[in-house]
Amino acid sequence: SQQGEEDPQALSIQEGENATMNCSYKTSINNLQWYRQNSGRGLVHLILIRSNEREKHSGRLRVTLDTSKKSSSLLITASRAADTASYFCATDEGGTSYGKLTFGQGTILTVHP
Amino acid sequence: EAGVTQFPSHSVIEKGQTVTLRCDPISGHDNLYWYRRVMGKEIKFLLHFVKESKQDESGMPNNRFLAERTGGTYSTLKVQPAELEDSGVYFCASSVRGSYGYTFGSGTRLTVV
Repeated sequence: SQQGEEDPQALSIQEGENATMNCSYKTSINNLQWYRQNSGRGLVHLILIRSNEREKHSGRLRVTLDTSKKSSSLLITASRAADTASYFCATDEGGTSYGKLTFGQGTILTVHP
Repeated sequence: EAGVTQFPSHSVIEKGQTVTLRCDPISGHDNLYWYRRVMGKEIKFLLHFVKESKQDESGMPNNRFLAERTGGTYSTLKVQPAELEDSGVYFCASSVRGSYGYTFGSGTRLTVV
């Protein structure tokens, strides 16, 4: 698998259900970030989790990070139609690679009203 | 606070022509990044400016791409001559020095025909 690879590639759920997306990566990281992209729009930063953190919450978002498995998950609880978007994880190795994010191909989430 | 602004939002040019993309970062953000997503592929890093200096240009695909950030404010990315494989969405992002929080623009969709 490539750096920052997401799973599943597409996810279709009903409003009110939870959505879980997974991300795997290969190298050591300083932090991992999740972004959302609505159709035709820019990337919106959702949440950042540092390599020494295991779980982080922001509103209806919950992110976990397992550095031993080089994986992360993004959980969106009580989904809404407005959550329909593409979701990307991105790793930042920090150090001399500071600012050089490595993205996965993303998960397309569709939330049906 | 104004976000990261990119011009134009869309550009359609013929193979062999020149196109210049512009990015206006958030005022005061020393770091400016260019990324692009070509069809079906992941978002890839192109280069990183700190003020007017190129910190990392390891992602620039070839010498047909030229990025500048004169005066450390806005940046331009010129493609000359454009090839079909240059088609994609070009994103710009900026951040405060030392921060891992990046703000992305809405992107420029470039189509080379």
